[in-house]
Amino acid sequence: DAKTTQPPSMDCAEGRAANLPCNHSTISGNEYVYWYRQIHSQGPQYIIHGLKNNETNEMASLIITEDRKSSTLILPHATLRDTAVYYCIPPTNFGNEKLTFGTGTRLTIIP
Amino acid sequence: NAGVTQTPKFQVLKTGQSMTLQCAQDMNHNSMYWYRQDPGMGLRLIYYSASEGTTDKGEVPNGYNVSRLNKREFSLRLESAAPSQTSVYFCASRQGQGAPYNEQFFGPGTRLTVL
Repeated sequence: DAKTTQPPSMDCAEGRAANLPCNHSTISGNEYVYWYRQIHSQGPQYIIHGLKNNETNEMASLIITEDRKSSTLILPHATLRDTAVYYCIPPTNFGNEKLTFGTGTRLTIIP
Repeated sequence: NAGVTQTPKFQVLKTGQSMTLQCAQDMNHNSMYWYRQDPGMGLRLIYYSASEGTTDKGEVPNGYNVSRLNKREFSLRLESAAPSQTSVYFCASRQGQGAPYNEQFFGPGTRLTVL
């Protein structure tokens, strides 16, 4: 099964860009990369996904390397409300029902 | 539009007691999921239902049963609760069946303690 590697924790100053890395070197085929976050014991929240191109939505940007073996989630102007655990989900194929959540990166936004 | 709702929010059981956790979604989604999250850990999939009338085991199904009552509702039953089942339980739903993306919508969770 595909795996991901994320740093266990990171800090970022409020108002700065938060860059969260993820290694998914076993990615293959048409597997998508998904990012979710979990704010203080709430249910996880979908952020963004990507296949091979960089993606941007109202929450974040996702930069995927050309070989697709790693990606970076960017929160462009971090706020205190962005303090959360961020999960880089191991790549899954189109229509695969299962998502696997590891322990993620605990991002702390510092005032 | 309430999204995914779960009941109860909190529950304390004694070892050996049974209970059913309820989950409902109003987004007309086909797929529904049950996860558990232990302290300091990520979520682990217990069971899922890709469509009404079907259920499949996830990573940690032992000690649990599920019922996809209809398209809206997916319940999780603990027949004989054990302290190892103390956890936070999250229900989720996804459009599924042809939806290209795996965006899952999560409920607020049920915090279960088994003494």
